[in-house]
Amino acid sequence: GQQVMQIPQYQHVQEGEDFTTYCNSSTTLSNIQWYKQRPGGHPVFLIQLVKSGEVKKQKRLTFQFGEAKKNSSLHITATQTTDVGTYFCAGGSEKLVFGKGTKLTVNP
Amino acid sequence: GAGVSQSPSNKVTEKGKDVELRCDPISGHTALYWYRQSLGQGLEFLIYFQGNSAPDKSGLPSDRFSAERTGGSVSTLTIQRTQQEDSAVYLCASSFQGPQAKNIQYFGAGTRLSVL
Repeated sequence: GQQVMQIPQYQHVQEGEDFTTYCNSSTTLSNIQWYKQRPGGHPVFLIQLVKSGEVKKQKRLTFQFGEAKKNSSLHITATQTTDVGTYFCAGGSEKLVFGKGTKLTVNP
Repeated sequence: GAGVSQSPSNKVTEKGKDVELRCDPISGHTALYWYRQSLGQGLEFLIYFQGNSAPDKSGLPSDRFSAERTGGSVSTLTIQRTQQEDSAVYLCASSFQGPQAKNIQYFGAGTRLSVL
């Protein structure tokens, strides 16, 4: 079945450094979604990308969808302590399949 | 309600007992998912309901786990003869799936299950 792989599993940065997490699918995706789970919370939807090569920005967050629609990335510029949490990508035309997530910790 | 509601929020049980976890999805959402999340880990898919289709049970870890969705709305996840390794947070999510829908999942706050 479809698999969504995400790397790295963990990332620790100093506040102000940049952060990137990568997502790869074993199959072509109709769309890719990103979610954030704060410590002690539940995953919350951030964004959806649909088009090949699409790039979307939310303040310091930049999301990209690969040309082949099999990979995606989330980049955070100048991390802040509020960025702490686990970032999940998810893809699938019907049943959504989640990656294992990247846990981000930020040292103030 | 405004969001996905799960109950109870916490459940402590003894090894060998059965437990039932409830999920009330957002009204009108056609799809419902159950996930398990152990401490510090990712989301482990358990089961997926979509409309009137047969559920996708491929993620259920053993035959002690079962789930049903009544009337296309409320879902109950049942764990029989609980084991200590069943201790985790059980998350429910719902989404509206359709040709023009984004299929965004909305998660409940989860049920934290502790098996002693």
